[in-house]
Amino acid sequence: DTGVSQDPRHKITKRGQNVTFRCDPISEHNRLYWYRQTLGQGPEFLTYFQNEAQLEKSRLLSDRFSAERPKGSFSTLEIQRTEQGDSAMYLCASSLVARYGYTFGSGTRLTVV
Amino acid sequence: RKEVEQDPGPFNVPEGATVAFNCTYSNSASQSFFWYRQDCRKEPKLLMSVYSSGNEDGRFTAQLNRASQYISLLIRDSKLSDSATYLCVVNSAGGGNKLTFGTGTQLKVEL
Repeated sequence: DTGVSQDPRHKITKRGQNVTFRCDPISEHNRLYWYRQTLGQGPEFLTYFQNEAQLEKSRLLSDRFSAERPKGSFSTLEIQRTEQGDSAMYLCASSLVARYGYTFGSGTRLTVV
Repeated sequence: RKEVEQDPGPFNVPEGATVAFNCTYSNSASQSFFWYRQDCRKEPKLLMSVYSSGNEDGRFTAQLNRASQYISLLIRDSKLSDSATYLCVVNSAGGGNKLTFGTGTQLKVEL
């Protein structure tokens, strides 16, 4: 499969727990993006990597959120001390050149109970 | 004001109808424009890029008006399988290469 892979597909966690999601981009893509989407809304930008460098972070990315992309390959998004408001679909996307659009993974659906 | 604005719909149309979606964007320096399609509980998928000269892909036609900061998508001879949410997407200059998505317009094609 040469698409963008995300793991897990679904995650249910109790409030206050930490969760980590993984994204494997298309291998030749050097740009990787994380977005969050809630019901009835479009995806909202969280952060962006070019190779291993995190070049931009949204104001939405509070101190409880951290993302890494070691060695410029896969990326992880960690949420510490989860809150119910963190419940959403977390989407990863990758691209070679942004002006040609992104390819999204299937997303990780997080439910905080 | 949101960077990308769309009418959320839903647009309920009969099969075979022509339907048009509109979108406006606020950043006049925006450089690239797209329409994405998103099925229920699935990831967004690139439908087509939008160029100033207008472009067509089968039953789908996209137009860009830079002066009015307006993007449109026309679907002709709509099919049941066209039922989805259509997201207007803009890549803004100086935006760090990120894409900004509208809230999406929901289309329901009915028999």
